[in-house]
Amino acid sequence: AQKVTQAQTEISVVEKEDVTLDCVYETRDTTYYLFWYKQPPSGELVFLIRRNSFDEQNEISGRYSWNFQKSTSSFNFTITASQVVDSAVYFCALRKNNAGNMLTFGGGTRLMVKP
Amino acid sequence: DGGITQSPKYLFRKEGQNVTLSCEQNLNHDAMYWYRQDPGQGLRLIYYSQIVNDFQKGDIAEGYSVSREKKESFPLTVTSAQKNPTAFYLCASSTPAGERSDEQYFGPGTRLTVT
Repeated sequence: AQKVTQAQTEISVVEKEDVTLDCVYETRDTTYYLFWYKQPPSGELVFLIRRNSFDEQNEISGRYSWNFQKSTSSFNFTITASQVVDSAVYFCALRKNNAGNMLTFGGGTRLMVKP
Repeated sequence: DGGITQSPKYLFRKEGQNVTLSCEQNLNHDAMYWYRQDPGQGLRLIYYSQIVNDFQKGDIAEGYSVSREKKESFPLTVTSAQKNPTAFYLCASSTPAGERSDEQYFGPGTRLTVT
C-alpha cells in the first residue's frame, strides 16, 4: 500500500525566513511520481511540481526548491525568503505508475508566514 | 479562460436530503475526479472517471453517486446514506496518465454543511 506522511501539521515563520516542508512516502513500486500542491485560503489546489522516480535532480523555481532523495524516500520542499502570500496548506502526493492518475495525498502542512 | 467550475461555493442541507454538487470543466480533459477534504486532513478520493460513460469507485465511495454523461461534466450526489457528509468537496480533471502534462487541475471546491 502507498502512504504519504507530512509530519509537520503546522509551521509558523516570520517573513523572509527560509522554511522546509517535509514529505516522506512509502511505495513498493520502482516507478512512481511525486507531486506538490498549494492550497491557498480560497480552497483551490494549485499544482507546483511533478517529479518521477528516475529523476533525482533537485529543482529550483524562483524561491521554491525541491529535494528528492530516493534513499530516504523523501521529497522535501523549501521556500526561500518566505512571503506572506506563501501562507497556505501544502500537500505532497504520490502516484503509482500504471495506476491511471490516482493520487495518494499526505495530510498537508499549514504554513503561516507572519509579516 | 480554461478551468474547472464548481457551484455553489457553500451549500447547506438538512439531514436526510440528497444533494448534488456540480463540476464543469472546459479543459477538454478526459479524466475527472471527486475528492473529499475534512479539516486538517488530506484529500481522499471518492469517485473518478477516465472517460465519458465510465466511472470507478475511489477509497470512500459509500454514500455517494456520480454520472459522466458528458465530457465536461461530472456531478456528485451526496445521498442520505452518507453518514458524515459535512466536508469540503473538490473536483479535479486531467489528461490521461502518461501524457506530458497529466497533473490534476482542481476546481475551487464546494463546502457542504448538513445539519
